[in-house]
Amino acid sequence: DGGITQSPKYLFRKEGQNVTLSCEQNLNHDAMYWYRQDPGQGLRLIYYSQIVNDFQKGDIAEGYSVSREKKESFPLTVTSAQKNPTAFYLCASSFPGEHNVLTFGAGSRLTVL
Amino acid sequence: SQQGEEDPQALSIQEGENATMNCSYKTSINNLQWYRQNSGRGLVHLILIRSNEREKHSGRLRVTLDTSKKSSSLLITASRAADTASYFCATVKGSARQLTFGSGTQLTVLP
Repeated sequence: DGGITQSPKYLFRKEGQNVTLSCEQNLNHDAMYWYRQDPGQGLRLIYYSQIVNDFQKGDIAEGYSVSREKKESFPLTVTSAQKNPTAFYLCASSFPGEHNVLTFGAGSRLTVL
Repeated sequence: SQQGEEDPQALSIQEGENATMNCSYKTSINNLQWYRQNSGRGLVHLILIRSNEREKHSGRLRVTLDTSKKSSSLLITASRAADTASYFCATVKGSARQLTFGSGTQLTVLP
C-alpha cells in the first residue's frame, strides 16, 4: 500500500541531545513537508522540499535541520538549539501541482525529559 | 503564520445532528482545503474548493467559500460518533502552493 511512514512513533530525549525523525514515502511524490503541532493548535511549517537536494525553511525552522538526498526520504533533526522541542511532528508529501493536496504520516511524538 | 482561523474552537452535538464549522482567512488564495485529524494521528484530506467555486459536496460534507468575506464553512450532515475528530481548514496560496493551517475545531459527536 502506498503511504508515508514516520518513525519512531514515540521518542524521549534528554535536554542537549539531537534526535532525528524519519519520514519515508512510496507515493512517488516530489514535495515533502515537516509540520509541528502543539496541543490544541494548528500545524506550523518547519521545512519543505520540492525536489531532491533542495529544501526551504518554513515559518519555524530555527533549531531544526533536514536533508533530501532521496526522493522517498526527508528526515528531520531536532537539534539542541531548539528551545522547546516537545511536540507532535507530522510529515506530509504531495505532487506540488495546482491543488497541492497533502498526504500525511501518522506522526511522531517527541518528549524532552 | 496562521492564515486560517476556525470557529468554534470546540463543538459538541448529538448523533444525527448537523455540525457546522467556519474558517476565516486573511489574504487571497488559490484554493481552500479541509482536513480531519483523529486524536494522536495524522491529518486526512476531506475536500478541496477552488477560489472560483462557491459550494462543493462530497457525501455528507458540504463546503462553501465566500471569497469576498474571506471565509469558508464545512457542514457535516447527519453526524455520527465516528465523526468525532479535529477539523482543520488550510489555505493554499502563492506560486509555491504552500498550505497554511488554522487552529482547528474539535468536534465531539455524542451517541
